[in-house]
Amino acid sequence: GQQLNQSPQSMFIQEGEDVSMNCTSSSIFNTWLWYKQDPGEGPVLLIALYKAGELTSNGRLTAQFGITRKDSFLNISASIPSDVGIYFCAGPDYGGSQGNLIFGKGTKLSVKP
Amino acid sequence: EPEVTQTPSHQVTQMGQEVILRCVPISNHLYFYWYRQILGQKVEFLVSFYNNEISEKSEIFDDQFSVERPDGSNFTLKIRSTKLEDSAMYFCASSDEPSAEAFFGQGTRLTVV
Repeated sequence: GQQLNQSPQSMFIQEGEDVSMNCTSSSIFNTWLWYKQDPGEGPVLLIALYKAGELTSNGRLTAQFGITRKDSFLNISASIPSDVGIYFCAGPDYGGSQGNLIFGKGTKLSVKP
Repeated sequence: EPEVTQTPSHQVTQMGQEVILRCVPISNHLYFYWYRQILGQKVEFLVSFYNNEISEKSEIFDDQFSVERPDGSNFTLKIRSTKLEDSAMYFCASSDEPSAEAFFGQGTRLTVV
């Protein structure tokens, strides 16, 4: 079935640094979603991408939908301690008809003040 | 801002007991989902629900699981006879279209002892 591979698995950075993480798939996705999960909480949608090549920003976050439709990246600029959490990419499973999402395994971000 | 709400936040139950997890999706959304996240792992799709019936379900969603929309606002997940391996965070989500941005609740942590 469809799978999403995220890298890196974890990152440990200094406050103020920029961060880049990516998500790849062996099959095409027509939608890419990026979520952040804080410990003990549900995933919170950060950015949604719907078109190949699309570059979308949300504050210090920028995400791009790869032109091959098989990858996406998320950048965080000037990281702050509250950026700590797990970042998941997700996309609709087209084996199903109602858009149930497939998630990557996540990138765990730690920020040192 | 509208949000998905879930109750309870934490449920501890004896193996073999039935549990019902409750969700109130965002009011104008038509597509409802349950996902599961075993501790430290990725979020996994369980079931999607639209127009008062199950649209899709994963292999995890076996005969022990059922969903219901008993009224115009609630959406429930029932596990008939819980097993130790059902221990996980269960997330409800909703969206206004399929293959679109799904909004997640804060989750119910189910612990089966």
